[in-house]
Amino acid sequence: KAGVTQTPRYLIKTRGQQVTLSCSPISGHRSVSWYQQTPGQGLQFLFEYFSETQRNKGNFPGRFSGRQFSNSRSEMNVSTLELGDSALYLCASSWLTGDGYTFGSGTRLTVV
Amino acid sequence: AQSVTQPDIHITVSEGASLELRCNYSYGATPYLFWYVQSPGQGLQLLLKYFSGDTLVQGIKGFEAEFKRSQSSFNLRKPSVHWSDAAEYFCAVGADNTDKLIFGTGTRLQVFP
Repeated sequence: KAGVTQTPRYLIKTRGQQVTLSCSPISGHRSVSWYQQTPGQGLQFLFEYFSETQRNKGNFPGRFSGRQFSNSRSEMNVSTLELGDSALYLCASSWLTGDGYTFGSGTRLTVV
Repeated sequence: AQSVTQPDIHITVSEGASLELRCNYSYGATPYLFWYVQSPGQGLQLLLKYFSGDTLVQGIKGFEAEFKRSQSSFNLRKPSVHWSDAAEYFCAVGADNTDKLIFGTGTRLQVFP
C-alpha cells in the first residue's frame, strides 16, 4: 500500500511569507502528526491530529498551525516565516495509538 | 517529564562487527519505546517497537533491542553490521493515549569496509 505522502518535497520561501505543507497518510490511518527536524534542535513534536481533532500540540509559537480533513489528510501552515523555520518537516501517520508511526520523506523548507 | 538520552553522538564500526546503540529514557510508567533509522535526506523508518511483554524485541534488518526497566534503557543491537546500515538512529518514547513521540538526539553510525 502507498506510504505517507508529503508535498512538496522542497520549498524555498522568503522571510515574512507564509507556507502550507500537505500530508496524505496511509489509507485507513486516522492519526497524523507533524515534526520539525533541525540540526540544532533535533526532532521536535508540532501537532497530533486524530479524526479531525487536534489532540496534542508541541511548544511552538502560534505562527504554526495545522488541521486535518475528514479523509485524514492533513496540512500545516506557518505564517510570517522566519529564517529559523528552515527545517525538514516530517509528517507521520498511525493506525492505533502507540502503534508506531510511519513517516513520510518530509518537506525541506528553506527560508531566505 | 518524558525524555530520551542517546549518549553516543557518533559511532564508527567495521563491517561485520557487532553494534550496540544506547538509549536511556525517563518516564513514570511503562513507556512505548521505538527505534527509528534515517538515511540522509529521507524520513524515518521504524526498526522496532516495545509496548509490553517480552523484553527482547526483534525488528527489521536484523536489529533487536532489549528493554531493561531497572536501567531505564532500550539499547539497539545488531550482531553483524553491513555497510548499508550507515545512517542516523533515533530512539523515541511515547506516552499512553497519545501519539506524541519524544526523540533522542540521534546516533550517527558510520561503517568502514
